[in-house]
Amino acid sequence: EIVLTQSPGTLSLSPGERATLSCRASQSVSSNYLAWYQHRPGQAPRLLIYGASSRAAGIPDRFSGSGSGTDFTLTISRLEPEDFVVYYCQQYGRSPGTFGQGTKVEIK
Amino acid sequence: QVQLVESGGGVVQPGRSLRLSCAASGSRISGYGMHWVRQAPGKGLEWVAVIYYDGRNQFYADSVKGRFTISRDNSKNTVYLQMDSLRAEDTAVYYCATDHGAGGWNYFEHWGQGTLVTVSS
Repeated sequence: EIVLTQSPGTLSLSPGERATLSCRASQSVSSNYLAWYQHRPGQAPRLLIYGASSRAAGIPDRFSGSGSGTDFTLTISRLEPEDFVVYYCQQYGRSPGTFGQGTKVEIK
Repeated sequence: QVQLVESGGGVVQPGRSLRLSCAASGSRISGYGMHWVRQAPGKGLEWVAVIYYDGRNQFYADSVKGRFTISRDNSKNTVYLQMDSLRAEDTAVYYCATDHGAGGWNYFEHWGQGTLVTVSS
């Protein structure tokens, strides 16, 4: 199974700043089948990015994804107050689909 | 837009069984694979099981294989997770989610808000 390692575990930033979240895979992710999800406590996880760089429907353009092979990045260009939650990457190129352990973005 | 609502969670003793339901509304899920994903306290997301659109194929995480059974009733727009021989380590919030495709190996497009299962004596 492909292991995804997210870094950092916690990111402390201020509203308006840029956030850069990393997701590294133990093996190459085929066809860049990499997704990012946002998860607020007590709520349903929300799909942000699929195919490494395609924004899901209704996702603001301050969220962007990039990367290929084993290294992927989620960038939030200017943090809004509602963005301070947890983010997970997921690979779906090889079964079983696996998740990273998550990055928490907290207010500095 | 699909809305998913999980139910059936609760407190159960080790070794007992529990059946979770995931009811969809707003759109038919009969054309989509459906997943269960869980999150143990203080942990990240863990994929549990998937069932293809027609119910003919199911796959499980090693941690639940032989104990959990996923099924679906497309006439009721509902997916189920039968959990037998429950263990303390099965304690988690359980989410259902739609696959982007008809099978089970795509990204998860829509999610429910989850139902909490606590396994404790």
